[in-house]
Amino acid sequence: DIQMTQSPSSLSASVGDRVTITCRASRNVDSYVNWYQKKAGEAPKLLVYTASTLQSGVPSRFRGSGSGTDFTLTISGLQPEDVATYYCQQIYTSPPLTFGGGTNVDIK
Amino acid sequence: EVQLVESGGGLVQPGRSLRLSCAASGFTFEDYAMHWVRQGPGKGLESVAGISWNSGNLGYAESVKGRFTISRDNAKNSLYLQMNDVRPEDTALYYCAKDRGLGFGGMDVWGQGTTVIVSS
Repeated sequence: DIQMTQSPSSLSASVGDRVTITCRASRNVDSYVNWYQKKAGEAPKLLVYTASTLQSGVPSRFRGSGSGTDFTLTISGLQPEDVATYYCQQIYTSPPLTFGGGTNVDIK
Repeated sequence: EVQLVESGGGLVQPGRSLRLSCAASGFTFEDYAMHWVRQGPGKGLESVAGISWNSGNLGYAESVKGRFTISRDNAKNSLYLQMNDVRPEDTALYYCAKDRGLGFGGMDVWGQGTTVIVSS
């Protein structure tokens, strides 16, 4: 299976800050990476698919980028409602569509 | 409204079996691949199994391969996960999720989950 490694595992930032989360695949996955947001007590939510396409209804402050093995999720202007754990996922192979270990984001 | 409702979770002893179900509505079920994803207590998301629209392509996490079986009934708009020989490490909230398409493009709709606790 392809392994997905996220960093950092957690971060704390102020409202309005720009936040960057990185994800590295264990081998080339082209642009086949998704990003999800998971809030406590809620089901996960798809934010970005195929590395950079914003899912319908997701605020434009979220942006995904990258290709090959290195990917980034950027939140431009962190909001209180963005407190969550963020996961990357490879969709390059057949299932299992492995997730990264997650990045906890909270407000300073 | 697109909706996924899981059922079948509960307390089960190690080594026993359990069958999870997921009832889908609000979309053409047979047009989409489907998935089971779990989150253990204090852990991250784990893609457990996925199945293509026509059941022709299946895949499992190494941690459940040989013990769990994913299946679907397009006539009943339902997804299933047969869990055999369960272990304490299978304790988790199990989500049913709809894929973005026929193949495997990731999960765009999720249920609220059903809890499985494996304990003697």
